[in-house]
Amino acid sequence: GQQLNQSPQSMFIQEGEDVSMNCTSSSIFNTWLWYKQEPGEGPVLLIALYKAGELTSNGRLTAQFGITRKDSFLNISASIPSDVGIYFCAGQSTDSWGKLQFGAGTQVVVTP
Amino acid sequence: DTEVTQTPKHLVMGMTNKKSLKCEQHMGHRAMYWYKQKAKKPPELMFVYSYEKLSINESVPSRFSPECPNSSLLNLHLHALQPEDSALYLCASTGTGNPEAFFGQGTRLTVV
Repeated sequence: GQQLNQSPQSMFIQEGEDVSMNCTSSSIFNTWLWYKQEPGEGPVLLIALYKAGELTSNGRLTAQFGITRKDSFLNISASIPSDVGIYFCAGQSTDSWGKLQFGAGTQVVVTP
Repeated sequence: DTEVTQTPKHLVMGMTNKKSLKCEQHMGHRAMYWYKQKAKKPPELMFVYSYEKLSINESVPSRFSPECPNSSLLNLHLHALQPEDSALYLCASTGTGNPEAFFGQGTRLTVV
């Protein structure tokens, strides 16, 4: 299916650094979701966004729903080794019930 | 209970075998999903059940046959698979009118 444009594809960072990733779409979404997936596990929901301009935090994670409704970003502050994984954005539009569109993922590697 | 439970965790099957994947949730969710995920790629939607009825089939080959016996259970029956069907199969569920998908751990399927 159609994918969102998610960047960067991968990030190699040192412990303590901040991480930023974003997703853009040619379609307007009414929901943006951010998931983290660790090896051998299913994706785990981190943050859900429902309003344009909304800024939501979950611990060291902060995500925003872009004002144009076509983009979203996720920040991780003060990274730690357990932040390692693949982060996926996912969006849903009002006319596509049940169909989340996923970004290609951002692989995050944290070195001590 | 916010878990989606999938069994088995790993499955190796021959191309002439018939096997089934199982998924269970007790969150009262009335929509359940099957996704296929290849390594380092995002999940790809296969099927959606809403109120125990198949509502979306993303043109999946007939060698994959879904079944929803009741609101808590979802099965995926497999028959005459090909090696390229080897992947992580993820089950997910959502509450009514809520796009936030909860995923299971997945079944790692290898077709030999």
